[in-house]
Amino acid sequence: EVQLVESGGGLVQPGGSLRLSCAASGFTFSSYAMSWVRQAPGKGLEWVSAITGSGGRTDNADSVKGRFTISRDNSKNTLYLQMNSLRAEDTAVYFCAKGTNIVGLTPRLDYWGQGTLVTVSS
Amino acid sequence: QSVLTQPPSVSAAPGQKVTISCSGSSSNIENNYVSWYQQLPGTAPKLLIYDDNKRPSGIPDRFSGSKSGTSATLGITGLQTGDEADYYCATWDPSLSAGVFGGGTKLTVL
Repeated sequence: EVQLVESGGGLVQPGGSLRLSCAASGFTFSSYAMSWVRQAPGKGLEWVSAITGSGGRTDNADSVKGRFTISRDNSKNTLYLQMNSLRAEDTAVYFCAKGTNIVGLTPRLDYWGQGTLVTVSS
Repeated sequence: QSVLTQPPSVSAAPGQKVTISCSGSSSNIENNYVSWYQQLPGTAPKLLIYDDNKRPSGIPDRFSGSKSGTSATLGITGLQTGDEADYYCATWDPSLSAGVFGGGTKLTVL
């Protein structure tokens, strides 16, 4: 059974940093691209970042470019999102999600975690 | 303002059919596959349709997807109260080098 479990969310001040983790199990982690998608309170889904199975290519939304970095450790079956220079508008539930092939960064995501809440506030 | 445009809400009676539209452009929908997601209240999104019109295993054939030009459509037949949820379309936009989601459509089964 595929499982994705996010952690690392919490309350952080504007300008601060946070690192989210997503522990994956039930599939060959290195064989699939992975993504982060966020949802602000009461709002819709927003694609944030994606990374290929090897970690060799990443892409980020313009809204987080230069501030967020997606990475993965295939030896630990774990996906990360390093978030720096956080702003109030980054407040959201952050979901990690599994892609359907090794290289596609498209938002064709067949399994999702339950999400972790990030609140940016003073 | 989302790159993909969906109606904010749709409604229909139990047993009826509903369609949800997703309008994009030549830089996204027209030349890239579209996925559709269902998000029940308080839960993570669930993949309903991928590659414009394919259903993952376990998704009933009451759900269907289609695409024409720069627009995609999700169809749901035999509506059930359990279908009440938010529905999102998504695709890749090479001009942005980013994934894009529609703003979401809230389905009410009256």
